[in-house]
Amino acid sequence: GENVEQHPSTLSVQEGDSAVIKCTYSDSASNYFPWYKQELGKRPQLIIDIRSNVGEKKDQRIAVTLNKTAKHFSLHITETQPEDSAVYFCAGKTFGNEKLTFGTGTRLTIIP
Amino acid sequence: DAGVTQSPTHLIKTRGQQVTLRCSPISGHKSVSWYQQVLGQGPQFIFQYYEKEERGRGNFPDRFSARQFPNYSSELNVNALLLGDSALYLCASSLAAGRETQYFGPGTRLLVL
Repeated sequence: GENVEQHPSTLSVQEGDSAVIKCTYSDSASNYFPWYKQELGKRPQLIIDIRSNVGEKKDQRIAVTLNKTAKHFSLHITETQPEDSAVYFCAGKTFGNEKLTFGTGTRLTIIP
Repeated sequence: DAGVTQSPTHLIKTRGQQVTLRCSPISGHKSVSWYQQVLGQGPQFIFQYYEKEERGRGNFPDRFSARQFPNYSSELNVNALLLGDSALYLCASSLAAGRETQYFGPGTRLLVL
């Protein structure tokens, strides 16, 4: 089955700097890759997603890139703000399989 | 704008007991998935239901079961609770099976003593 690895597990950046979180996946048939943000005690919130027919997608300060050959995808957050502090999860989904397989999460801390 | 709702928010049970968790999807969504999130880990897929039929099952024992009702709400049942079942149980809804975007509810935090 699909396996998704995520790193780093923790990341601290100065406010205003950029943060990058990377994930790799094992199943070359995976075709959908969402990113979720989870604040302490709250639900995972979808922040951006990308499908395998696209190499990059951007939404304001957030962008995701996908390299199908290398089977990895990354989340980029620019101009970080204190409210970006949270745990971020990547996930992958294989066509025809209904489940999302999640990474182990990255705890992002923005230092004011 | 009602999102995914779950009840109860918190639950305390003892080993061997049974528990039922409930989920109502976003209006218009017909697919519901259940995930277990143990503290410090990512969500693990348990089940997906679409049009009242099970469309996917994760690697969980038969103590876990679920069903979906005609109004697309869903219940997750766990029998013979173990200490290791203590977790946040998340429900996610999507428009239909095969429609990838899943939106999560606030979860039910289950503590087994």
